[in-house]
Amino acid sequence: DVKVTQSSRYLVKRTGEKVFLECVQDMDHENMFWYRQDPGLGLRLIYFSYDVKMKEKGDIPEGYSVSREKKERFSLILESASTNQTSMYLCASQNWQGAPGELFFGEGSRLTVL
Amino acid sequence: AQKITQTQPGMFVQEKEAVTLDCTYDTSDQSYGLFWYKQPSSGEMIFLIYQGSYDEQNATEGRYSLNFQKARKSANLVISASQLGDSAMYFCAMREGNTGNQFYFGTGTSLTVIP
Repeated sequence: DVKVTQSSRYLVKRTGEKVFLECVQDMDHENMFWYRQDPGLGLRLIYFSYDVKMKEKGDIPEGYSVSREKKERFSLILESASTNQTSMYLCASQNWQGAPGELFFGEGSRLTVL
Repeated sequence: AQKITQTQPGMFVQEKEAVTLDCTYDTSDQSYGLFWYKQPSSGEMIFLIYQGSYDEQNATEGRYSLNFQKARKSANLVISASQLGDSAMYFCAMREGNTGNQFYFGTGTSLTVIP
């Protein structure tokens, strides 16, 4: 079974702190994603990576950056956390060459910024 | 315009009954895929079922079936014989095109199964 592991289930940070959210997948998938989930808004794409060191901005990249130094690892970075970044963050990976190309999700990281 | 619309924020169903969760989509692509995910309170998104735009038969996976009406652009999820463990958020999603990375998610439907 595909396993997507997010480093922290729950985090509490202070405004202005730098925050790292890490995601590791064990199935050699090319594509990895970071989504933000807020009630009533569904999932919104922050960043997408299709290969090592390759990334594309999603719908809401402002205030975030990402790093993909190894194929299995995709990190989301909040350079200076703000209260409006309090949210659930979901990482996903995808083998886009395999049908049906569904996303495999981690368990999520719930971030609270005080 | 919203790419995926789920109009039911919350639904209740009696245990052992069937329930339909609505999803409509908007795309001009000929090739696309439709997905349903379940998110229990634990947070993990679980893939349930997939329907390709060229698939003529409705997809089925155990107690889940997808009622695909292409002309109406709807992809409703039907859960038969509801169980208490089906209580969760359900998200409809669409993948456009063939590159595989452009997904759109609806706002979700919260399903509660009543004993």
